[in-house]
Amino acid sequence: EAGVVQSPRYKIIEKKQPVAFWCNPISGHNTLYWYRQNLGQGPELLIRYENEEAVDDSQLPKDRFSAERLKGVDSTLKIQPAELGDSAVYLCASSSGGGTPNIQYFGAGTRLSVL
Amino acid sequence: AQSVTQLDSHVSVSEGTPVLLRCNYSSSYSPSLFWYVQHPNKGLQLLLKYTSAATLVKGINGFEAEFKKSETSFHLTKPSAHMSDAAEYFCVVSGGFKTIFGAGTRLFVKA
Repeated sequence: EAGVVQSPRYKIIEKKQPVAFWCNPISGHNTLYWYRQNLGQGPELLIRYENEEAVDDSQLPKDRFSAERLKGVDSTLKIQPAELGDSAVYLCASSSGGGTPNIQYFGAGTRLSVL
Repeated sequence: AQSVTQLDSHVSVSEGTPVLLRCNYSSSYSPSLFWYVQHPNKGLQLLLKYTSAATLVKGINGFEAEFKKSETSFHLTKPSAHMSDAAEYFCVVSGGFKTIFGAGTRLFVKA
């Protein structure tokens, strides 16, 4: 079974440019998460989807970040415009969403460098 | 509200000696607790999970953790470290649809 797939693995852009990250969760997983992991820190949740609905986006900086999961499967996270402080690893995770515990399966992440 | 504190940012052990990575948590719920491992340039991998069943939880690669409610702790241990255990370890608390990661503990294993 394929795991969570993210692309690209690395992205280098100049500040003020737009950037997008893509995630394909494990087949059948209804819940999808986007996290940001700054250097030397643990991941912090940006947004959580249940199917196509964003049920927790309280930590998403909505002035520049947006996300979508139109068909309840794969998802895209966008930053426009990017700032220097956005340099981080962006992680996608998915879970089956049913029962406990809520085991999340993570992709390898996208490392963003904003110059 | 929930929080998780990993008490050591770095731990260094010699190969073949025991490993102890410390984690304290707070939660308004009956939490689920996890340990994940992150090897360089790889995704986070689940080591083990606690879900209000047995307080001593066994995970992969010889790791185990003990849930101590009175101490609000969930420390990760392994009897004998291997070079391949060198990685970043994250303690995670989950409850009320919220998941909080600790800041991580980097484990160094010396030959």
